[in-house]
Amino acid sequence: DAGVIQSPRHEVTEMGQEVTLRCKPISGHNSLFWYRQTMMRGLELLIYFNNNVPIDDSGMPEDRFSAKMPNASFSTLKIQPSEPRDSAVYFCASSLALGGRDNSPLHFGNGTRLTVT
Amino acid sequence: AQSVTQLDSQVPVFEEAPVELRCNYSSSVSVYLFWYVQYPNQGLQLLLKYLSGSTLVKGINGFEAEFNKSQTSFHLRKPSVHISDTAEYFCAVSGYSGGSNYKLTFGKGTLLTVNP
Repeated sequence: DAGVIQSPRHEVTEMGQEVTLRCKPISGHNSLFWYRQTMMRGLELLIYFNNNVPIDDSGMPEDRFSAKMPNASFSTLKIQPSEPRDSAVYFCASSLALGGRDNSPLHFGNGTRLTVT
Repeated sequence: AQSVTQLDSQVPVFEEAPVELRCNYSSSVSVYLFWYVQYPNQGLQLLLKYLSGSTLVKGINGFEAEFNKSQTSFHLRKPSVHISDTAEYFCAVSGYSGGSNYKLTFGKGTLLTVNP
């Protein structure tokens, strides 16, 4: 099991550019989550999907952010246009189930460190 | 609504000393509680979880946590820490309200630094 795979590991871009972060969840996991981590705000849930359908995107900060999950093995988080305040580490996580008694734990990728200059 | 408060942002300790990382939560429904650990330049990993049953939960690397419903706490402990335990630790709460409504809320983290 390769775990959750995120790419790229590091991204440096200029303000105004489009940024696309990619995630491959663990095979068989039905739920996928995007988090953002900063020193100021800690770990924030941006959006999560269940069976490829967005369930809650209330954490997405602005319309500049969008996320898609076209199939069970791939998701993207896009920022267009990017701004310096978007600089953060973005994590993708997946789990077996959404809700339920077991509350399957999240498996995190190693993150994408985004720097917008 | 649910929330998690980690009372200490940083905890420095010496190697082989005991440690307790504190976590308090609030929720209007029954909760599940978790501790995750994040090593430098890595994602979070599950350390332990409380779903039901015994209030004392044992996790990996010798860590344990105790669920205290009356005090709404879920403190993490280890009797003797190692240098390799240096990491950031996150407490998280999941409120299950039926159906498919699920949201995991994380605390802001506690940086544990183990010094020789």
